[in-house]
Amino acid sequence: DAMVIQNPRYQVTQFGKPVTLSCSQTLNHNVMYWYQQKSSQAPKLLFHYYDKDFNNEADTPDNFQSRRPNTSFCFLDIRSPGLGDAAMYLCATSRDLWGETQYFGPGTRLLVL
Amino acid sequence: AQTVTQSQPEMSVQEAETVTLSCTYDTSESDYYLFWYKQPPSRQMILVIRQEAYKQQNATENRFSVNFQKAAKSFSLKISDSQLGDAAMYFCACAGGGNMLTFGGGTRLMVKP
Repeated sequence: DAMVIQNPRYQVTQFGKPVTLSCSQTLNHNVMYWYQQKSSQAPKLLFHYYDKDFNNEADTPDNFQSRRPNTSFCFLDIRSPGLGDAAMYLCATSRDLWGETQYFGPGTRLLVL
Repeated sequence: AQTVTQSQPEMSVQEAETVTLSCTYDTSESDYYLFWYKQPPSRQMILVIRQEAYKQQNATENRFSVNFQKAAKSFSLKISDSQLGDAAMYFCACAGGGNMLTFGGGTRLMVKP
């Protein structure tokens, strides 16, 4: 029944050591999103893919990159994690842009030591 | 640009009672969508209710209903017959004019047995 799956659920990395978070979906949705959520705050959109078209939010640090090799999978790469990057990372999908319901994964909690 | 404001960081309700969570928004778009999402502790965010701004009728979903006041740019969520499982963070969100989803700061709802 799982629709948006994120792996791993918990990730511990060292300061400056690259890390990759993964997201997969069984909904065949066109759009995939990555959000960063810090404790008790609203999710902050980092970027999204509409099919293969990548859209970066203006204030997303260059340290964050993403790949979408096919419809089902999307990856978040953090090239050199800093302590401030410790957060919950949420993946979401939607059938189309704007006004469509987004379906969220359970998130990956990233800890940076 | 669009903004969403949730003025109640925390709310509590007695089990079986009714509670209303407040949300105000601002958008310059004439066509937009409003959402309430629920994020239980350590669980994924799920859609509670979605409202299309051009529809006058307030959306309802079982025990959840909204009071959509378009002129006042208000979109409150009413939870009837509150249950322990309703305890969560609730986020109000707006998507207008092709813009991405903008979330409010969230309201933490506690349900007392």
